[in-house]
Amino acid sequence: AQSVTQLGSHVSVSEGALVLLRCNYSSSVPPYLFWYVQYPNQGLQLLLKYTSAATLVKGINGFEAEFKKSETSFHLTKPSAHMSDAAEYFCAVTQAQKLVFGQGTRLTINP
Amino acid sequence: DTGVSQDPRHKITKRGQNVTFRCDPISEHNRLYWYRQTLGQGPEFLTYFQNEAQLEKSRLLSDRFSAERPKGSFSTLEIQRTEQGDSAMYLCASSLEPYEQYFGPGTRLTVT
Repeated sequence: AQSVTQLGSHVSVSEGALVLLRCNYSSSVPPYLFWYVQYPNQGLQLLLKYTSAATLVKGINGFEAEFKKSETSFHLTKPSAHMSDAAEYFCAVTQAQKLVFGQGTRLTINP
Repeated sequence: DTGVSQDPRHKITKRGQNVTFRCDPISEHNRLYWYRQTLGQGPEFLTYFQNEAQLEKSRLLSDRFSAERPKGSFSTLEIQRTEQGDSAMYLCASSLEPYEQYFGPGTRLTVT
């Protein structure tokens, strides 16, 4: 079965600093990978997806992620954090027809 | 494209009562999913429909839970004889392809 591990349940960065959220997956087949963002009391919004095309994937709001098969990783980055980036971020991998999510990383932005 | 909608957004019920949630997917999406999210956790898969057929159910979906998608449009999730452990956010998602799922705002259930 596929699984996702997000390293760090809480990450805090200063406004303008680099954001790095870590995701490692295990999959017996070539995976499709996703990052979602969730603001308080809201559903999940798709940030970006990897579907076996380019290994560097660009998403919305300035986020990008790089698929590294050798490291089984799909880390999310943003060069310069903005206060509006404060939210919960989830990495997910497909397993048959469904998504398997990590436990999430709460991102806090310090002014 | 109005997105996935869910109703109600919040539900407070007493233990032992039955509750029903509704999900309206994006109109052209033939796949519909239900997930449950508890505090501090990622969403967990409950069940999946392709058109009106329920094709997969998680072991998390006990006999007290039932989901339907009549005519392949909206879906309902019913929980019978609610327990305090059922308190969670119930998320619905839809997709056209078997990935890239679009989520609704969720229904937050509190069982007292």
